[in-house]
Amino acid sequence: NAGVTQTPKFQVLKTGQSMTLQCAQDMNHEYMSWYRQDPGMGLRLIHYSVGAGITDQGEVPNGYNVSRSTTEDFPLRLLSAAPSQTSVYFCASIKPGVAQYFGPGTRLTVT
Amino acid sequence: GESVGLHLPTLSVQEGDNSIINCAYSNSASDYFIWYKQESGKGPQFIIDIRSNMDKRQGQRVTVLLNKTVKHLSLQIAATQPGDSAVYFCAESGGSNYKLTFGKGTLLTVNP
Repeated sequence: NAGVTQTPKFQVLKTGQSMTLQCAQDMNHEYMSWYRQDPGMGLRLIHYSVGAGITDQGEVPNGYNVSRSTTEDFPLRLLSAAPSQTSVYFCASIKPGVAQYFGPGTRLTVT
Repeated sequence: GESVGLHLPTLSVQEGDNSIINCAYSNSASDYFIWYKQESGKGPQFIIDIRSNMDKRQGQRVTVLLNKTVKHLSLQIAATQPGDSAVYFCAESGGSNYKLTFGKGTLLTVNP
């Protein structure tokens, strides 16, 4: 049982490039979410999903897309990277009414 | 707007002392609160949670207190150890735990 896995661990992009951050969970949780964490700040919700085929926006969704084709996977896409998207990204898998389980994070730098 | 915040950004304690980390929230509709611990370079780790129908909940060496009257949450760590050194976040949600609002965090440093 690996829990929540994220790849890559580190990534450097140039402005305007696109990429996908991968997230997978093996706990069969319906709910998953993506957060970003900027230095000295708490986590902010980007997008979340309450099940396969269902996604919705969080607090800071601009510049990001998500899809949920399977229960296990919840990728986050950056369409055209900007320096403002330099951050650490965390994916979470959620057991309703219990807790969120976070992955180890992806550290993204956009130059 | 509604927010979750922390009173102290840093807290330094001696090993063996008890630690208290505080959190204020402003959303009166919040009914679920969680404390997370985040070590450097890692994702947040669940510590303990509490629902609004309770005012106290205890875990192993940790206790969370909820005061709904003043919208205040605290995390007490007993006999603090060097391994407790981390950033602690409170988070809240209103009705569902898949849309959490996080505070900015408190850095706890435990001195040997």
